[in-house]
Amino acid sequence: QKEVEQNSGPLSVPEGAIASLNCTYSDRGSQSFFWYRQYSGKSPELIMFIYSNGDKEDGRFTAQLNKASQYVSLLIRDSQPSDSATYLCAVKEAGNMLTFGGGTRLMVKP
Amino acid sequence: GAVVSQHPSWVICKSGTSVKIECRSLDFQATTMFWYRQFPKQSLMLMATSNEGSKATYEQGVEKDKFLINHASLTLSTLTVTSAHPEDSSFYICSARDIVGSSYEQYFGPGTRLTVT
Repeated sequence: QKEVEQNSGPLSVPEGAIASLNCTYSDRGSQSFFWYRQYSGKSPELIMFIYSNGDKEDGRFTAQLNKASQYVSLLIRDSQPSDSATYLCAVKEAGNMLTFGGGTRLMVKP
Repeated sequence: GAVVSQHPSWVICKSGTSVKIECRSLDFQATTMFWYRQFPKQSLMLMATSNEGSKATYEQGVEKDKFLINHASLTLSTLTVTSAHPEDSSFYICSARDIVGSSYEQYFGPGTRLTVT
């Protein structure tokens, strides 16, 4: 069974610090990887996707992918209290289905 | 950006009744829509893949006769929870993939919170 694993947290960082969120996946053939942010009681919103090894930057967010290690991460620079949410890692399977990790709860303290 | 709506946003129903949830892609066409369920403090679990003009594909353990899915057009999919029971109370979220453009992105609706009393 294909799995996507995340540390449930909570991960607590001070405002202005870098938050590092990690995700591992079991299917070596996976090609596309997504990071979603979900506020309590709301549906997920896409932050970034990545499909090539290396780093992809978008504003304060950087996604990192290492297919050899089956590892994808999300860095949030200059963390803000408004970044406090649950971050979901998702891996695209055949047929465009997404398999989600359990999510990591991030708390940014002022 | 692509927008997906859901209606209703929340619903309370009595045990044994049926509830219909609509998922609409507002500014794009979607041949494929996905229905997820999320229990408190848990991640999203895919229930089924809804394909326009054909039968939905259900994930293992999801009762197709209980969760009826109809994808009648390129912009509308419906999920009907039949004979709802309290254990069906959950947050139901749909997502849609644009028929054109990148195949990497799914756009999520705002979710429907179902409470069965």
